Amino acid sequence: GQNIDQPTEMTATEGAIVQINCTYQTSGFNGLFWYQQHAGEAPTFLSYNVLDGLEEKGRFSSFLSRSKGYSYLLLKELQMKDSASYLCAVRDSNYQLIWGAGTKLIIKP
Amino acid sequence: ETGVTQTPRHLVMGMTNKKSLKCEQHLGHNAMYWYKQSAKKPLELMFVYNFKEQTENNSVPSRFSPECPNSSHLFLHLHTLQPEDSALYLCASSLSQEGPSEAFFGQGTRLTVV
Repeated sequence: GQNIDQPTEMTATEGAIVQINCTYQTSGFNGLFWYQQHAGEAPTFLSYNVLDGLEEKGRFSSFLSRSKGYSYLLLKELQMKDSASYLCAVRDSNYQLIWGAGTKLIIKP
Repeated sequence: ETGVTQTPRHLVMGMTNKKSLKCEQHLGHNAMYWYKQSAKKPLELMFVYNFKEQTENNSVPSRFSPECPNSSHLFLHLHTLQPEDSALYLCASSLSQEGPSEAFFGQGTRLTVV
């Protein structure tokens, strides 16, 4: 079966750095997405990786290793507004998006 | 505001009722999706429409019936639902189903079946 694993919940301190991991087992691979979802709101797109390596976008970076079936989302200079759930999703060989259950990130002052 | 609008935002319905959820996008996207989001579970893909044609139906019970009259509008018709169908129903659209084409989500409809 297809599976996406990410931690259920993480806690970090304002101003610090946090890394949210995602491992996947899917039938084929056509890209990996990270989304942010604040409570009661729509998920919003953060990043897309299809080749190995690091993609940097401001305070957020996303890394992919296809051989290891592994990605992480790195958030720097954490702000209180970064408190949200972070969803990892992989597009499989049929171009279907397979989703993880999300990681709830709690930022403390 | 993501460009995808869903109505209503909240819905309470009895098990014998019939209701419809509406989704609208004017982003020029060709693919539209219905997802179910339950607490602490992954997003469940229910239906996919690509260029108004249904391309995926992930073993969804027949009490959920999608309709896509044009590339900008998507409906989810509900009838004789069960309490376990209570969840957040999200509509999304994307330019295509391939490549880096990310999905844009609506705010969702919080459905409670009583």
